[in-house]
Amino acid sequence: GAGVSQTPSNKVTEKGKYVELRCDPISGHTALYWYRQSLGQGPEFLIYFQGTGAADDSGLPNDRFFAVRPEGSVSTLKIQRTERGDSAVYLCASSPSSVSTDTQYFGPGTRLTVL
Amino acid sequence: RKEVEQDPGPFNVPEGATVAFNCTYSNSASQSFFWYRQDCRKEPKLLMSVYSSGNEDGRFTAQLNRASQYISLLIRDSKLSDSATYLCVVNTGNQFYFGTGTSLTVIP
Repeated sequence: GAGVSQTPSNKVTEKGKYVELRCDPISGHTALYWYRQSLGQGPEFLIYFQGTGAADDSGLPNDRFFAVRPEGSVSTLKIQRTERGDSAVYLCASSPSSVSTDTQYFGPGTRLTVL
Repeated sequence: RKEVEQDPGPFNVPEGATVAFNCTYSNSASQSFFWYRQDCRKEPKLLMSVYSSGNEDGRFTAQLNRASQYISLLIRDSKLSDSATYLCVVNTGNQFYFGTGTSLTVIP
């Protein structure tokens, strides 16, 4: 079946612009996670959704970052007033439930470059 | 202090060698543990979960020591296709914490 998909695969933007990154999880998966990965680092947790609600957004670095999942499926990560330090690969993962032992399935990521 | 610490390597080993990676975690309340594999410019993929009793999947063996807050991964009879970055992952509450990854290159 289809895995997690993310669009766009690459996004180049200018400092100060607004960007939206989209994640389509595996059908039926209720848990959805966003991570940010910088070069040479492991993925860093940003936010976790269980269904439509953000169950934990403590990883969002500041109020320029916001994410939604209005119908409990597709999620959008929104970044306002982008800064050069926001450049990274943004990964989305989904899992069947919120059980901690569930496998997370990752999408291919969106590579964001802020010039 | 980081939630998860790993030696970044790189580890360069010949084909057929046995190699071991270690990882420590800081929160004793952590609930579940994993090793993920990440190929260059690709997404992480689950290699195996790690259980207190230790578990094995073919050439791969994972161990967990809760008292020492330590996780290990052993790869026997290394193959060229094992070359990748291996990420130690710990679940605490709602969050999954990833180590920086250990880079492995298997040399012909």
